[in-house]
Amino acid sequence: GAVVSQHPSRVICKSGTSVKIECRSLDFQATTMFWYRQFPKQSLMLMATSNEGSKATYEQGVEKDKFLINHASLTLSTLTVTSAHPEDSSFYICSALDRGQETQYFGPGTRLLVL
Amino acid sequence: GNSVTQMEGPVTLSEEAFLTINCTYTATGYPSLFWYVQYPGEGLQLLLKATKADDKGSNKGFEATYRKETTSFHLEKGSVQVSDSAVYFCALILNSSASKIIFGSGTRLSIRP
Repeated sequence: GAVVSQHPSRVICKSGTSVKIECRSLDFQATTMFWYRQFPKQSLMLMATSNEGSKATYEQGVEKDKFLINHASLTLSTLTVTSAHPEDSSFYICSALDRGQETQYFGPGTRLLVL
Repeated sequence: GNSVTQMEGPVTLSEEAFLTINCTYTATGYPSLFWYVQYPGEGLQLLLKATKADDKGSNKGFEATYRKETTSFHLEKGSVQVSDSAVYFCALILNSSASKIIFGSGTRLSIRP
């Protein structure tokens, strides 16, 4: 199946700093990628839809100035958590849409811990 | 509205037991249906999918059939292994939804040796 990578897999940062998470589709072009957040023992919550070459579409309740999304190429989307606080600690997962297969493929996730 | 309902876990079975995880959906139009699996500490992996009524998705011994009449997509496996221990998510995509996935709440499966 298609492969989607995320980097870093784990990150620990101090409160007030910014953290960038990368999501790459390795063997297909993805005009659309998605960013999710998952709390322990819960389902995935869609944060935003990332569209190549245009602004991301954020779900209700997600602060676009806090979670900056850039989708500058057909294989890369980045999520930047700005001025991170302990409540931003979570597991962040991206997915990339393979339109040819009509399927989303998920990355392995990034665990963020803000101290 | 559009939603996915799956059986609450955790589900605990002995190795080689038969597995069923129920999933039903509510959707306008004709969704595509998916099962994803999440192993501890990892992201989601696509397990199987079905895109139209009566389709059967299968992979790694797991099967699920798209039943439009009962709006269901139950996951089954004839003989589970310890390595199947994971969280299983049923999901749908509406063909008109710009590919947004609607997930069920997930079912945690634990297999005893």
